[in-house]
Amino acid sequence: DTGVSQNPRHKITKRGQNVTFRCDPISEHNRLYWYRQTLGQGPEFLTYFQNEAQLEKSRLLSDRFSAERPKGSFSTLEIQRTEQGDSAMYLCASSPPGQGPLDSPLHFGNGTRLTVT
Amino acid sequence: AQSVTQPDIHITVSEGASLELRCNYSYGATPYLFWYVQSPGQGLQLLLKYFSGDTLVQGIKGFEAEFKRSQSSFNLRKPSVHWSDAAEYFCAVVIDNYGQNFVFGPGTRLSVLP
Repeated sequence: DTGVSQNPRHKITKRGQNVTFRCDPISEHNRLYWYRQTLGQGPEFLTYFQNEAQLEKSRLLSDRFSAERPKGSFSTLEIQRTEQGDSAMYLCASSPPGQGPLDSPLHFGNGTRLTVT
Repeated sequence: AQSVTQPDIHITVSEGASLELRCNYSYGATPYLFWYVQSPGQGLQLLLKYFSGDTLVQGIKGFEAEFKRSQSSFNLRKPSVHWSDAAEYFCAVVIDNYGQNFVFGPGTRLSVLP
């Protein structure tokens, strides 16, 4: 179990630029989640994949945000035309197949901290 | 409205003292309940989880939590806090049986005095 890996750890970008983050889940985990966390808040759900299928998207995920998991393994989250309000920690989590939530708790990566100047 | 609340934004305790962090939820049915801990600059680590059975559940690092249905609460406790416990603590609920809809509370920041 090498854990959930996220790259980069930090990203500073200028407003209007595009950014892409990568998440490598734990290898046997078929579920993958993206969350956003702002200072002093808990993580907020963005989107969820089961294998390669994106099954749920939050209304927080504007048209500028897109996530993919093309082969059911790693995932990317792209933000186009970044805005200062996009500055946050972007967390990826994965979970294994199971009978329910107790069998499949979330395993989090260390996150990518985005700063938009 | 459905929600998870953690009434205490910041708690400070002395090392060796006992700790209780509060969590309340507002859902029609008993959800699946979790506590996670986040150290600075790190992701979240699962401390413990609960859905049914014994209402006192043990977790890692000496933490335990008690579910009280009448109060819609799932408070986290530790008898003796260590300096390394200083972190942010998040209560979370899952309200669907497939485990895909985790909702997190706003968190409680714990500081530990030497």
